[in-house]
Amino acid sequence: AQSVTQLGSHVSVSEGALVLLRCNYSSSVPPYLFWYVQYPNQGLQLLLKYTTGATLVKGINGFEAEFKKSETSFHLTKPSAHMSDAAEYFCAVTGRGSTLGRLYFGRGTQLTVWP
Amino acid sequence: GAGVSQSPSNKVTEKGKDVELRCDPISGHTALYWYRQRLGQGLEFLIYFQGNSAPDKSGLPSDRFSAERTGESVSTLTIQRTQQEDSAVYLCASSRPGLAGGNNEQFFGPGTRLTVL
Repeated sequence: AQSVTQLGSHVSVSEGALVLLRCNYSSSVPPYLFWYVQYPNQGLQLLLKYTTGATLVKGINGFEAEFKKSETSFHLTKPSAHMSDAAEYFCAVTGRGSTLGRLYFGRGTQLTVWP
Repeated sequence: GAGVSQSPSNKVTEKGKDVELRCDPISGHTALYWYRQRLGQGLEFLIYFQGNSAPDKSGLPSDRFSAERTGESVSTLTIQRTQQEDSAVYLCASSRPGLAGGNNEQFFGPGTRLTVL
């Protein structure tokens, strides 16, 4: 089965600082990778996804992520944090074969942005 | 509607009671998913529908959990004889299946917060 590890359940940064949220996956073949964001009392919203092609993926709100096959990583970054970025972020990977339909999620990283 | 909707938004029930959670997917989305999010945990897959059939229901935690989907639209997740460990936010998502299947975005509803006393 697929699995996703998000290092750091909580990350705090100052407004304007670099945001780096880490995600590693386990897969014997390159999967499809996703980052979702969850604002308080709201459902999940897709930030970006990697399927095929360019390994640097740009998403909404200035976020981007780079797929590194050799490191089995898909870390999420944003050059300059904004207060509105405070939320919980989930990395996810699709299954393979009979589990192609499902997403496997990491446990999430809560991002706090200090003024 | 424009997005995935779920009802109720909150449900408080007593241990041992049955509950039904409803999901209305985005119109035209043939794939529908149920996930569970326990406090401080990531999302846990429960079941996946393609049309009205469920090719993957391996995530249902016990036989107290069941789900159905009719008319390729509304889905209902039923939990019988609820237990305190069932307390969680239950999220529904829908997507359009593409040629490659798994690469399509799943659109999530706001969830139903279930509390079992």
